[in-house]
Amino acid sequence: EAGVVQSPRYKIIEKKQPVAFWCNPISGHNTLYWYLQNLGQGPELLIRYENEEAVDDSQLPKDRFSAERLKGVDSTLKIQPAELGDSAVYLCASSPKDRGLLEQFFGPGTRLTVL
Amino acid sequence: TQLLEQSPQFLSIQEGENLTVYCNSSSVFSSLQWYRQEPGEGPVLLVTVVTGGEVKKLKRLTFQFGDARKDSSLHITAAQPGDTGLYLCAALSLTQGGSEKLVFGKGTKLTVNP
Repeated sequence: EAGVVQSPRYKIIEKKQPVAFWCNPISGHNTLYWYLQNLGQGPELLIRYENEEAVDDSQLPKDRFSAERLKGVDSTLKIQPAELGDSAVYLCASSPKDRGLLEQFFGPGTRLTVL
Repeated sequence: TQLLEQSPQFLSIQEGENLTVYCNSSSVFSSLQWYRQEPGEGPVLLVTVVTGGEVKKLKRLTFQFGDARKDSSLHITAAQPGDTGLYLCAALSLTQGGSEKLVFGKGTKLTVNP
């Protein structure tokens, strides 16, 4: 079974530029999460989707971050404009329906460097 | 204030040694999880503990949930270089919006030298 797929794996941009990350969850998983992981820290939740609905986006900095999951499958996370402090690893995770938050499968992440 | 405090932050040992890492909190949790994250990869779930005092074993790894469900430990016997990674504990917490989310500690970075 294929795992969570993320692309790109690495991205280097200059500050004030836009950037987008893509995630394809495990087939059949209706819950999708985006996490931010700073160096030396654990992952922090940005947003959680149940199918195409964002059920928890309270941690998403909405002034510059946006996300979408239009068809309830793959998802895109966007930052516009990027700031130096956005340099981090952006992780996507998914979990199967009715298995709750305790069975999350993580992708390899996208490492963003903002210069 | 971190909800989950992990210690030590860094640990470097020789192959064959035993080690224990800790995850502590002042809060009571219904369950607690341990993940291992290797460089360039996402975290991988190792175990979920749900009962106070519970002990679970996964090959050379032993996980214990505190009686009061506020803390947990991970013990590795005869560590191998393949055990190298970031060990994260995680537990459910309420968000400002009233929903639940998984919160992680900062992790223990373990290096096992051959």
